[in-house]
Amino acid sequence: DQQVKQNSPSLSVQEGRISILNCDYTNSMFDYFLWYKKYPAEGPTFLISISSIKDKNEDGRFTVFLNKSAKHLSLHIVPSQPGDSAVYFCAASVRSSNTGKLIFGQGTTLQVKP
Amino acid sequence: NAGVTQTPKFQVLKTGQSMTLQCAQDMNHNSMYWYRQDPGMGLRLIYYSASEGTTDKGEVPNGYNVSRLNKREFSLRLESAAPSQTSVYFCASSAHLAGGPNEQFFGPGTRLTVL
Repeated sequence: DQQVKQNSPSLSVQEGRISILNCDYTNSMFDYFLWYKKYPAEGPTFLISISSIKDKNEDGRFTVFLNKSAKHLSLHIVPSQPGDSAVYFCAASVRSSNTGKLIFGQGTTLQVKP
Repeated sequence: NAGVTQTPKFQVLKTGQSMTLQCAQDMNHNSMYWYRQDPGMGLRLIYYSASEGTTDKGEVPNGYNVSRLNKREFSLRLESAAPSQTSVYFCASSAHLAGGPNEQFFGPGTRLTVL
C-alpha cells in the first residue's frame, strides 16, 4: 500500500518557466510534509517543508502548497533553472511519533531545458 | 562538519557473501535510518534507530541486520547477499524529537551490486 504517491515519473520544462511537481497521500495522520532533491550519485538533500496547519510555504524560488481535503501537495519552482534538473521526492511524516520516520514517494525526474 | 558519511562508496559481492555498510554522523543527532533506493520505488526504509540503544524494522527489513554502535554510528549488515539486494543504500540522520522538526540528512550512498 503506497501511502505517498508521485504519479508523474518525469517532467520536462523550459528554462524560466514554472515547474509543478505533484504528490498525493492517503494517510490522514500525516501532519508534516517535505520535499527532497537528489542529483545523480549524491544523497537526497532537504529542500522545503510544510506543516499541516499551513497551506503554503515559500522559500525563494520554491513554494510548497498543501491541500489537506484533497490529500495533495505540490512543489512550484519559479523560475526554473537548468541546475534544478534532478529527481524530486516528496515525503510525509507524523510529527508526534517518536520515530521520526519519513514515508517517501517514488520520485519525479525534472529536466529543465536551456 | 562532515555531516553523514558512508563507507564504502561502491561494492560488488557474489551471492552468499556478507558485508557491513558503515554510517557515521557528526551532528549529534538522536535518530538514524537506512534506506534502499531502487528504480521506480523511491526510498524504502530498511531499519531505523530512533535513539541510541534502540533499533526497529522498517518497510523492507528481510535479509538485513543493523547495529547502533553508539550515538554517531549505525551499521547495516547483509549476512548472505542476494541479487535482489542490488541497490543504492542511503544512511540518514535526524535530530528528531516527538512533535519537533524531523528533517533527515542523508549520506552520499553506497552502490551495491550482488552477482
